[in-house]
Amino acid sequence: QKEVEQDPGPLSVPEGAIVSLNCTYSNSAFQYFMWYRQYSRKGPELLMYTYSSGNKEDGRFTAQVDKSSKYISLFIRDSQPSDSATYLCAMRKTDSWGKLQFGAGTQVVVTP
Amino acid sequence: DAGVIQSPRHEVTEMGQEVTLRCKPISGHNSLFWYRQTMMRGLELLIYFNNNVPIDDSGMPEDRFSAKMPNASFSTLKIQPSEPRDSAVYFCASSGASGGIDEQFFGPGTRLTVL
Repeated sequence: QKEVEQDPGPLSVPEGAIVSLNCTYSNSAFQYFMWYRQYSRKGPELLMYTYSSGNKEDGRFTAQVDKSSKYISLFIRDSQPSDSATYLCAMRKTDSWGKLQFGAGTQVVVTP
Repeated sequence: DAGVIQSPRHEVTEMGQEVTLRCKPISGHNSLFWYRQTMMRGLELLIYFNNNVPIDDSGMPEDRFSAKMPNASFSTLKIQPSEPRDSAVYFCASSGASGGIDEQFFGPGTRLTVL
């Protein structure tokens, strides 16, 4: 069983809708949680970075971490066609600086 | 800032041939990572360097794979001999934080096809 589980999708939503993405994990040692966005034929780029539990908001993006349930989420409000991409969750332990464990990625398609 | 530079962008080779992938990290970054991405296995960390020293190579699949970082501005990932199952997109990433937010900046990737 993988340490990080993520539904690969695809997830298709109409423009303006809220996109809801999530990952579950099995290792309680994970403390740092990230969301990366990857456009087709490009490298991933960091969207959100959170430590431990709680919420973090940045513009239209909100990241949530629930360590008790080993569950993280990313919400995209007022989705745009330019948000169409693959979203990968990533996480690491405190003593494993740089060693990220990625989810499989969820493909999101926002239709005009 | 040019970002992380990888070459070649595409490589098609025949089974048994040697393949060398190259990476130039962002200037000033002291950590460099090599990843492999496939549909089946997703994004996997192969090896990472800190200050040009290999820190963790536990993700390197087998002895056919080797990586070097002779200086702070250049790294190579070599596969010898290559096999069809090595076909994947190989990403290089670099990071400049130590102790702070360890954001990794990815290059555009090298798409490798082994026939």
